[in-house]
Amino acid sequence: AQTVTQSQPEMSVQEAETVTLSCTYDTSESDYYLFWYKQPPSRQMILVIRQEAYKQQNATENRFSVNFQKAAKSFSLKISDSQLGDAAMYFCAYVGFGNEKLTFGTGTRLTIIP
Amino acid sequence: DTGVSQNPRHKITKRGQNVTFRCDPISEHNRLYWYRQTLGQGPEFLTYFQNEAQLEKSRLLSDRFSAERPKGSFSTLEIQRTEQGDSAMYLCASSLGRGGTYNSPLHFGNGTRLTVT
Repeated sequence: AQTVTQSQPEMSVQEAETVTLSCTYDTSESDYYLFWYKQPPSRQMILVIRQEAYKQQNATENRFSVNFQKAAKSFSLKISDSQLGDAAMYFCAYVGFGNEKLTFGTGTRLTIIP
Repeated sequence: DTGVSQNPRHKITKRGQNVTFRCDPISEHNRLYWYRQTLGQGPEFLTYFQNEAQLEKSRLLSDRFSAERPKGSFSTLEIQRTEQGDSAMYLCASSLGRGGTYNSPLHFGNGTRLTVT
């Protein structure tokens, strides 16, 4: 079975600084996809960024980028120029190719310090 | 795009009672998913539908749980004889369903928070 581990329950960062959230996963599949979702307080979960495992190039979406290390099974999220609106729970998630079931980590609560 | 709508937002019930939650997906989305999120945990997959067909159910979904999606539109999740361990946030999500979860990302609702006393 696939597992996703987020070892940082909480992180904080000064506004305008850069922060990196860690995620590792375990799988025997060779083809899969990875995601970072953001869940603001009392609001719905939204997709931040996604990565295809067969692509070596790291995905980037504006201020959000990932460091995908397939051999190490690591998928970290870097948030640059942190803004107050980035405060949320961040979940790393995995899905195998052809599968519809997302496996989530336990989340990292990110606090932005003004 | 009015988003995924879930009702009620909160439900408090006594142990042993039955509860039903409703999810209205984004109108053109043909896939609908239910997840459960307990405190301090990430969401866990429960089940999903392609139109009106329920295609996969998690082992987490005991016999007390049943989900339906009549006519491929809204969906309901019913929990019979609720137990305190059922207390959780129940999340619904929908997607276009084209090209798998990667190409058709999930859009989540705000969830229904269930408290069983």
